[in-house]
Amino acid sequence: ETGVTQTPRHLVMGMTNKKSLKCEQHLGHNAMYWYKQSAKKPLELMFVYNFKEQTENNSVPSRFSPECPNSSHLFLHLHTLQPEDSALYLCASSQDWAGGEAFFGQGTRLTVV
Amino acid sequence: KNEVEQSPQNLTAQEGEFITINCSYSVGISALHWLQQHPGGGIVSLFMLSSGKKKHGRLIATINIQEKHSSLHITASHPRDSAVYICAVIGRGKSSGDKLTFGTGTRLAVRP
Repeated sequence: ETGVTQTPRHLVMGMTNKKSLKCEQHLGHNAMYWYKQSAKKPLELMFVYNFKEQTENNSVPSRFSPECPNSSHLFLHLHTLQPEDSALYLCASSQDWAGGEAFFGQGTRLTVV
Repeated sequence: KNEVEQSPQNLTAQEGEFITINCSYSVGISALHWLQQHPGGGIVSLFMLSSGKKKHGRLIATINIQEKHSSLHITASHPRDSAVYICAVIGRGKSSGDKLTFGTGTRLAVRP
């Protein structure tokens, strides 16, 4: 148990669906991250939020839309995804965005059909 | 070429063996993480270090900043150590919040 919780753990969605991934942490951290892990590739940073403000959008397509309503919650809204978007999506948090120890959630395994 | 390279990519060991996983990086860093990812995906942070050596149970992590190299050692390996071990570095750049850059991971299987 890392203190970072992601739901759902598994998600299958069609290319025309809209779904959301949720991440929650009660560690008192101020920075939250979305990462994508595709098969045989290193984790890729997608978005960074620091104090609820987006500080990084790592050239992510607009079909991925993050939302950070407060420091404890982070969402990733998905719409009109492609099969190549199938991957493990990991949420992480850290005390701040200046490189402290990161705590990861269990991930959401997304399959786009 | 990735900024973070790990070796070996795959490793099979017998229970009880001493295991070493290596990480080399090409950028200036402020710290380095060793992470463990079990089947199913969840990632656990094992160590964060910026110099010297850290030990936790049967795990030891070392880093040589001058040589841009870190090693993760597992003593008396056990099947429950089977996982993917990922090295990640925190760059010293001022932009992008010093984000983590990840290696591709080392898949370890420990046989009973």
